Amino acid sequence: DVQMTQSPSNLAASPGESVSINCKASKSISKYLAWYQQKPGKANKLLIYSGSTLQSGTPSRFSGSGSGTDFTLTIRNLEPEDFGLYYCQQHNEYPPTFGAGTKLELK
Amino acid sequence: QVTLKESGPGILQPSQTLSLTCSFSGFSLSTYGMCVGWIRQSSGKGLEWLANIWWNDDKYYNPSLKNRLTISKDTSNNQAFLKITNMDTADTATYYCARGRGTFDYWGQGVMVTVSS
Repeated sequence: DVQMTQSPSNLAASPGESVSINCKASKSISKYLAWYQQKPGKANKLLIYSGSTLQSGTPSRFSGSGSGTDFTLTIRNLEPEDFGLYYCQQHNEYPPTFGAGTKLELK
Repeated sequence: QVTLKESGPGILQPSQTLSLTCSFSGFSLSTYGMCVGWIRQSSGKGLEWLANIWWNDDKYYNPSLKNRLTISKDTSNNQAFLKITNMDTADTATYYCARGRGTFDYWGQGVMVTVSS
């Protein structure tokens, strides 16, 4: 299985700031990396797939980059609704595997 | 509008079989390229993919649990199912179904399943 290592585990920031979350795959997954947001009481939300393609409805302040083994999710100009948990997932091969998550908290 | 909703027993005893139902609307599992998957999340832990079923009845399972999993579908009633045999306390988790084609673009809210004697 492809192991996905996410960092940092926790991140504190203020509205208006920019943050980056990293995801590293144990082997090359080409561009096939997705990012999800998880918030209490809400369905998980697909933000980005194939490394950098924004899912319909994802605000443009979100961006994804990377290929091979190293990927980054960047959120610019944080909004209050952006705070929550973020997970990466490789969708290059079976079984799909997820990172352990990054908790983005209000500073 | 795509929606999915999971249902299950809530609580069961060790060694029992878990049966989960995913009822969905807004898409059909008979449509070319469509897929429904099951993913679980233990309390305070990350997401673990369990199984996928495709429009053509192809099925994929997590190798770590493969012998215990059975995924199926009822296209006419827009439902997908997952059975997990020989449940253990370690299987206590929230179980999600999601529409997927590699990535999972719509998720249900999840159903909590507790395994306890």
